[in-house]
Amino acid sequence: DTAVSQTPKYLVTQMGNDKSIKCEQNLGHDTMYWYKQDSKKFLKIMFSYNNKELIINETVPNRFSPKSPDKAHLNLHINSLELGDSAVYFCASSQGRTSSTDTQYFGPGTRLTVL
Amino acid sequence: RKEVEQDPGPFNVPEGATVAFNCTYSNSASQSFFWYRQDCRKEPKLLMSVYSSGNEDGRFTAQLNRASQYISLLIRDSKLSDSATYLCVVTHGGGNNRKLIWGLGTSLAVNP
Repeated sequence: DTAVSQTPKYLVTQMGNDKSIKCEQNLGHDTMYWYKQDSKKFLKIMFSYNNKELIINETVPNRFSPKSPDKAHLNLHINSLELGDSAVYFCASSQGRTSSTDTQYFGPGTRLTVL
Repeated sequence: RKEVEQDPGPFNVPEGATVAFNCTYSNSASQSFFWYRQDCRKEPKLLMSVYSSGNEDGRFTAQLNRASQYISLLIRDSKLSDSATYLCVVTHGGGNNRKLIWGLGTSLAVNP
């Protein structure tokens, strides 16, 4: 059984397009995250939601918009894609947001290539 | 200065060797600390949390030094399968001010 799943696994698209990445977790966790890992392997948190409420919103372009229809899903929509958006996007979840429940479980990643 | 810093390596060690990595952090109010492992083209996976008193899990030992603001990971009797990138994570703040800061990772290659 997949704990944190993401679709699609690979996404190749042209500059200027709008695309979405979906994430679902079946762990019953309250908190979900989106990360971006660029070509230099730097893993940077983008957003975090706790029970559908945005709790971490790092400095990312407003072309990126997360949406959480319920606590098991956190989707990422990207408008007007740019070359610099090419990266691997990881979804993750954790049980809560206190230090004792911070362990994060990651999805397999979505490799986005913008041409 | 970066909030969390790691030596990127790569560390090349022979099988059976003992190897140690450090991770320094700048925020003295940091609360929780973790080591994650990431294999090539895979997602990060939790290796171990780091507790104040230090903790051990088989061949892996994690330590926290609050005075000098660093955490360490020691791997004894290295296996080929230990080859990966090791990422440290530091958290501070709470609620909407909570921050998770990831290091860039330390690359380990264990050679036969």
